[in-house]
Amino acid sequence: DTAVSQTPKYLVTQMGNDKSIKCEQNLGHDTMYWYKQDSKKFLKIMFSYNNKELIINETVPNRFSPKSPDKAHLNLHINSLELGDSAVYFCASSQQGGLGTGETQYFGPGTRLLVL
Amino acid sequence: SQKIEQNSEALNIQEGKTATLTCNYTNYSPAYLQWYRQDPGRGPVFLLLIRENEKEKRKERLKVTFDTTLKQSLFHITASQPADSATYLCASPSNTGKLIFGQGTTLQVKP
Repeated sequence: DTAVSQTPKYLVTQMGNDKSIKCEQNLGHDTMYWYKQDSKKFLKIMFSYNNKELIINETVPNRFSPKSPDKAHLNLHINSLELGDSAVYFCASSQQGGLGTGETQYFGPGTRLLVL
Repeated sequence: SQKIEQNSEALNIQEGKTATLTCNYTNYSPAYLQWYRQDPGRGPVFLLLIRENEKEKRKERLKVTFDTTLKQSLFHITASQPADSATYLCASPSNTGKLIFGQGTTLQVKP
């Protein structure tokens, strides 16, 4: 299946732990994104990478570090997890990342992170 | 700051009726608006895009309008079905090169 996939789907962990979320797309897209969706359903961009290069880095605590080993993968590592990090994290990809053209973003199924 | 707002209250309608969802934007003029559908436990899925120079766009039972005077987009689902029940998100590009989303409106279509 052509898609954006994320692992794990659910992540329950204690405060202070370090965790990683993995994302892969087999759509041949150049750009990948991480979004955070909070309990009020707002979807906010965190990072975007184009061909392994960081393009967008929103005001996100530096405990969050994205890594793109190749253009098909974008992982998110979170250090020293806090209660407020509980949310759903979505990975997405688009053909080139040129928002001016209105290209579609394709989203993964999300990773539900719960910090206790 | 640039904002997109959707009615956060759920919209409940009877099967067969037309559902109309609203998206308002403030403090900028987006070149286009996109509409996505999000089902519980899943990621958003793209439905339609409408550009600022287009008044209306249709796709099967879906219709989107873009009113740059009112700074508003309306999303219509005609002959609604229970399977249309989902959360619908509008999104547009900001001036800083990122896609910003509204908080979504949840539609419940009752049989």
